[in-house]
Amino acid sequence: DIQMTQSPSSLSASLGDRVTITCRASQGIGNGLGWFQQRPGKAPKRLIYAASSLEGGVPSRFSGSGSGTEFTLTISSLQPEDFATYYCLQHNRHPHTFGQGTEVEI
Amino acid sequence: EVQLVESGGGLVQPGGSLRLSCAASGFSFTTFDMTWVRQAPGKGLEWVSAISGSSGSTYYADSVKGRFAISKDNSKNTLYLQMNSLRSEDTAVYYCVKGDWADFWGQGTLVTVSS
Repeated sequence: DIQMTQSPSSLSASLGDRVTITCRASQGIGNGLGWFQQRPGKAPKRLIYAASSLEGGVPSRFSGSGSGTEFTLTISSLQPEDFATYYCLQHNRHPHTFGQGTEVEI
Repeated sequence: EVQLVESGGGLVQPGGSLRLSCAASGFSFTTFDMTWVRQAPGKGLEWVSAISGSSGSTYYADSVKGRFAISKDNSKNTLYLQMNSLRSEDTAVYYCVKGDWADFWGQGTLVTVSS
């Protein structure tokens, strides 16, 4: 099975900061990766698909990059509503696997 | 508008069974892959199972293989997850998710396995 290693597990940042979260795959997955945001008590919501494509309606301050084994989610200017936990998901090969999550505290 | 509404969660004893349902609307259910994802209390997301919309092929996480079975009834636009031999570690919110790439999520149903 493909293991996804996500870092950091948590981070503290200020409004307006640039935030970067990384996921590393244990083997190459091409661009088969998505990024998800989960606010407390809510269902996850997809932000990025195919590693770098922005979901419709998602603010442009969110961006994704990478391919193969290393992927990055960047929030260019942190806003109050970005307080949440973020997960990556590899959907290149079954069983699909999530990263451990990154809690963003503001 | 896409909607996914899960039901069937509840309290069950260890070793027991439960069947979750997910009523889908707002998209062509027949053609889409569908997925179940769970989240134990205070923990991260865990991919559980998926079913191919085109072939009906099924896939499972190692943690549930042989105990859980995913299926879909295209005539009822409904996804199911039959859960047998339940363990305490299966306690979680179970989400029904549209697509192999997880593009839309239901609100989840809580399953508690406890004596």
